[in-house]
Amino acid sequence: KAGVTQTPRYLIKTRGQQVTLSCSPISGHRSVSWYQQTPGQGLQFLFEYFSETQRNKGNFPGRFSGRQFSNSRSEMNVSTLELGDSALYLCASRLRGEQYFGPGTRLTVT
Amino acid sequence: GENVEQHPSTLSVQEGDSAVIKCTYSDSASNYFPWYKQELGKRPQLIIDIRSNVGEKKDQRIAVTLNKTAKHFSLHITETQPEDSAVYFCAAGSASNTNAGKSTFGDGTTLTVKP
Repeated sequence: KAGVTQTPRYLIKTRGQQVTLSCSPISGHRSVSWYQQTPGQGLQFLFEYFSETQRNKGNFPGRFSGRQFSNSRSEMNVSTLELGDSALYLCASRLRGEQYFGPGTRLTVT
Repeated sequence: GENVEQHPSTLSVQEGDSAVIKCTYSDSASNYFPWYKQELGKRPQLIIDIRSNVGEKKDQRIAVTLNKTAKHFSLHITETQPEDSAVYFCAAGSASNTNAGKSTFGDGTTLTVKP
C-alpha cells in the first residue's frame, strides 16, 4: 500500500496570510491526526478527524482548523499566519492504535 | 489531560553498548505506548509498541517494558549501531478505535552512537 502523503512539502508564506495543507492517508485508514513539530516544542497534537468528524483537539488557537473528506483525505488550514507558526506539520493516519506519519509540510512564515 | 515525560533528552553511547530511554505518563486510562524513531529530515517511524495487557515486548535488538503501576515504560536498544543514531519519541494514548488518534508525545531523546 502507498504510504501517507502530504502536499505541498515546502511552503513559504508571509505574516497575515493563510495556508492550507493536505494529507492523504493510507488506503483503508479512516483516522487522520495532525501534529506540529518544532525544535523547542517537540510533537504537539493539533486535532484528529475520523469519518469526517473532528474527534479530538489539542491546545491550539482557533486560527488552526481542519476538515476531512468522505475519502478520508484531510486538510488543515491556518489563518492569519504568525512567525511562530513556522514548523513542520505532520499528519498521521491510523488503523487501530498504530499511527503512520507522512513526510510533513515544512512551513516557513516570514 | 495526558502528560508524558521522557528522559534523557540526549544520550551518547559507544557502538555495541546498550541504550535505555525512559518515559512516564500521567493518565491511567492510557493503554497504548508506541515508540517512534525519527532520523534527520525524515518522518517519525513506528519501531515498536506495547499495549497495557503486556509487560514486555521484544523485536530483535529493541525491547520495550511497561510498568502500569508506576506509569512508566522504557525503550531498550542492545548492541547499538551507528545507524541507530536518531531522535526517539515515546507516546501514550488509547488503542481503542474511538480515541487512539490523540497520542501525547514525549519531548524526544537524541541518541548518538559513536563508532
